[in-house]
Parts: sequence; structure tokens; C-alpha cells
Amino acid sequence: AQSVTQLGSHVSVSEGALVLLRCNYSSSVPPYLFWYVQYPNQGLQLLLKYTTGATLVKGINGFEAEFKKSETSFHLTKPSAHMSDAAEYFCAVSEGGGNKLTFGTGTQLKVEL
Amino acid sequence: GAVVSQHPSRVICKSGTSVKIECRSLDFQATTMFWYRQFPKQSLMLMATSNEGSKATYEQGVEKDKFLINHASLTLSTLTVTSAHPEDSSFYICSARSLHPDTQYFGPGTRLTVL
Repeated sequence: AQSVTQLGSHVSVSEGALVLLRCNYSSSVPPYLFWYVQYPNQGLQLLLKYTTGATLVKGINGFEAEFKKSETSFHLTKPSAHMSDAAEYFCAVSEGGGNKLTFGTGTQLKVEL
Repeated sequence: GAVVSQHPSRVICKSGTSVKIECRSLDFQATTMFWYRQFPKQSLMLMATSNEGSKATYEQGVEKDKFLINHASLTLSTLTVTSAHPEDSSFYICSARSLHPDTQYFGPGTRLTVL
């Protein structure tokens, strides 16, 4: 069985500040991990994913995430927040790249001037 | 990148009627498609896995007779909400699995409102 826990349903940062969105997972097999972004009334856009290999994964729009097996974490970061980053972010886990996904409850990111 | 479309994007129907939602992979073939449901300000919950040419696999607690899924071709899966009721109002999102690379691509979602 798989599960995902996202700490903090709402995160607020100032424009230009560091963004840190937390994700912890549980999986009985080596996990595939994903971060998606969702804008209001839209579908999901893939930010980045970890499958195997390098544990630091770089994605689109300046986001990156690091897979830490010992901590069962896959936190999402961005050095400098932009107003356009305000959205809902979902962490997800699967047993394979295209297999069914289990999502976390999401984190709403607010970026303030 | 791969594109997945959904139609309609928004639908309003009366209680007791049936609604069909289409999910298409536009530039790749998808033997597997997934249907998710998202309530306001909540996460996505997998409803079912749709495999081309075979019966869908439903998640626990999802009524297969209420949510009919058909995956008749490698680029099209449909979800029919039968005898819809207001509690079926939700945002329905599909995804299609590409094998090369092995990943899911999501559609833009369909907002269903049952009056």
C-alpha cells in the first residue's frame, strides 16, 4: 500500500522568498514520486518526478525536489517565489511511472508582495 | 509533450439524468486511462482504471453500475455518470498512460454540476 502526507495545507511566502513544500511518503516498493501543480479549474501539470538515479530532481519553472530514502521524504523547493507560483501543489506516489497514483491532500501556496 | 483532452469541460444536468464525459489522448495511444474525482479543495481520488478492450477496474467504494467506463479504442475512454444526483457534483479528471516514456498525462478536467 502507498500513501502520501503533505504537511501544511496552506503555505504563504513573500515574493522572492524560498518556497518549501513538504511531502512524506510510504511505499512497500521503491517509489516513483511526483509533484504536480494545479491552477483553479484546471487539470494537473507535472512539475517533476523521481524514478531512479539522481536523488535531486530538477523540474519546470525553477522547482526542484530531493528524494531522501532515509527520511521517506520528497520535499519541493524553489529558491525565489514568483506571484505566478500561487497554486495548489500535489505530491503523489506510484509503483511505476505510469501506474495509478496516490495523491497527498495538497498544499495551497500563496505568494504575497 | 503529450496532450490529453476532455469533453465537455463543464456540464450542468438535472437530477436523474445521465452524463457522458470523454477523455482522449490526442497524440499517443493509451492502453490504460485513469479516472479521478476531486471534491472542492480536496485531493484527487482514483475512481477506476480503464484498460482498452477490457473491463475497468474500480477502486473500493466506487459503484461500477453508477460510473460506467468504456475504453473502446486506444485513444478514447468515456465515463458515464448514470442517474446523476447532486452528490455526484464534482470535478472529474482523466489521465492517459503513455508507455514511452512510462508516465501519465492529465486532462484539463470536467466540472459536473447536478441540479
